[in-house]
Amino acid sequence: GIQVEQSPPDLILQEGANSTLRCNFSDSVNNLQWFHQNPWGQLINLFYIPSGTKQNGRLSATTVATERYSLLYISSSQTTDSGVYFCAVKISGSRLTFGEGTQLTVNP
Amino acid sequence: EAGVAQSPRYKIIEKRQSVAFWCNPISGHATLYWYQQILGQGPKLLIQFQNNGVVDDSQLPKDRFSAERLKGVDSTLKIQPAKLEDSAVYLCASSAFGTVYEQYFGPGTRLTVT
Repeated sequence: GIQVEQSPPDLILQEGANSTLRCNFSDSVNNLQWFHQNPWGQLINLFYIPSGTKQNGRLSATTVATERYSLLYISSSQTTDSGVYFCAVKISGSRLTFGEGTQLTVNP
Repeated sequence: EAGVAQSPRYKIIEKRQSVAFWCNPISGHATLYWYQQILGQGPKLLIQFQNNGVVDDSQLPKDRFSAERLKGVDSTLKIQPAKLEDSAVYLCASSAFGTVYEQYFGPGTRLTVT
């Protein structure tokens, strides 16, 4: 099956800092999603981005499908950004496969 | 637009007991998924329904897990009998049928088996 690798596994920031999370995948995909799992366990959709670039407030994402990676940028981080960020990918005819996540801690 | 609804939010049972979880997807979403998320890992798909038919149940432990979606809307996932290793969060998700496969997740049910 498809392999999904996220880096870094853990990230600690001071409030106001910027960060970049990376997702590498091993095959061509027709779905790529970024999620934020908050401390209560809710998976919140951040981006549906099988290719291209999108921005939503302080967050943006870029997927370079030909090179099989995606990046999630968080600017001016806030304590409420803390949690686990998951990348999930899907190839045609298969299931959505999640990476192991990046645990982000933003300190005040 | 209402999101994916799940109940209960928490459940504690003893091993060998049975338990059932309920999910109501986003209105109009034809595809429904059940995931298991063990602490420290990403969610893993257990079963996928397209309307009321099963599309993928290859990772469902069928000796103890069962799921149904009788009218193509809400769904139940059952575990009987439960084992200690079934302690996890059970997430339900839904997506619209078509070329955009974005999945939306419910709040999950946290199961503890003692």
